[in-house]
Amino acid sequence: EVQLVESGGGLVKPGGSLRLSCAASGFTFRNAWMSWVRQAPGKGLEWVGRIKSKTDGGTTDYAAPVKGRFTLSRDDSKNTLYLQMSSLKTDDTAVYYCTTRYCSGGACYSAFDIWGQGTMVTVSS
Amino acid sequence: SYELTQPPSVSVSPGQTASISCSGDKLGSHYTSWYQQRPGQSPVLVIYQDSKRPSGIPERFSGSNSGNTATLTISGTQAMDEADYYCQAWDSSTGVFGGGTKLTVL
Repeated sequence: EVQLVESGGGLVKPGGSLRLSCAASGFTFRNAWMSWVRQAPGKGLEWVGRIKSKTDGGTTDYAAPVKGRFTLSRDDSKNTLYLQMSSLKTDDTAVYYCTTRYCSGGACYSAFDIWGQGTMVTVSS
Repeated sequence: SYELTQPPSVSVSPGQTASISCSGDKLGSHYTSWYQQRPGQSPVLVIYQDSKRPSGIPERFSGSNSGNTATLTISGTQAMDEADYYCQAWDSSTGVFGGGTKLTVL
């Protein structure tokens, strides 16, 4: 079964740090471009960042609000994606989802396919 | 920064056609995707590359994109289609979501 399972969320004080993990199974993780998307309580979806596969350079891109504070990384030997968050702000409070790029029939597209169930991050004093 | 604008809400009667718009500068030159999110659930991809349906998505879901506007159309809307819908595109290497549209099936 194709699955993404996020973990690591919790309550953290403003200015603090937290690392989220996303465990992948059921597909070839090392070939997947992975993203994090967040959703503040009662709000819409917001793209956070993306990491390409190592064969495609392994480069990262970030949304402006998190650039310089958040870092995406991956461990292909563990089929796991990470999101290291630092200098956290109350505005970072959200459910954080990991998601894959949609691929079908040997081609990949600029859309998000598999989504995890999300992990809640609350930044509050 | 690039922005996508959606109406906050759309209402439709069961069996009728619902249209949800998404507008952005020269959006027709960007591939647009659409996601359905039911309350308490993770998003589901319903349209990619403007008008293509992933496997398992009913044929009543269709999409188009031209000029500055992309449109998600749901024909023969069913009660189970009541959800939030989000458009999404890429501006260079930055992902962008619309603000979301709540579809109510009355």
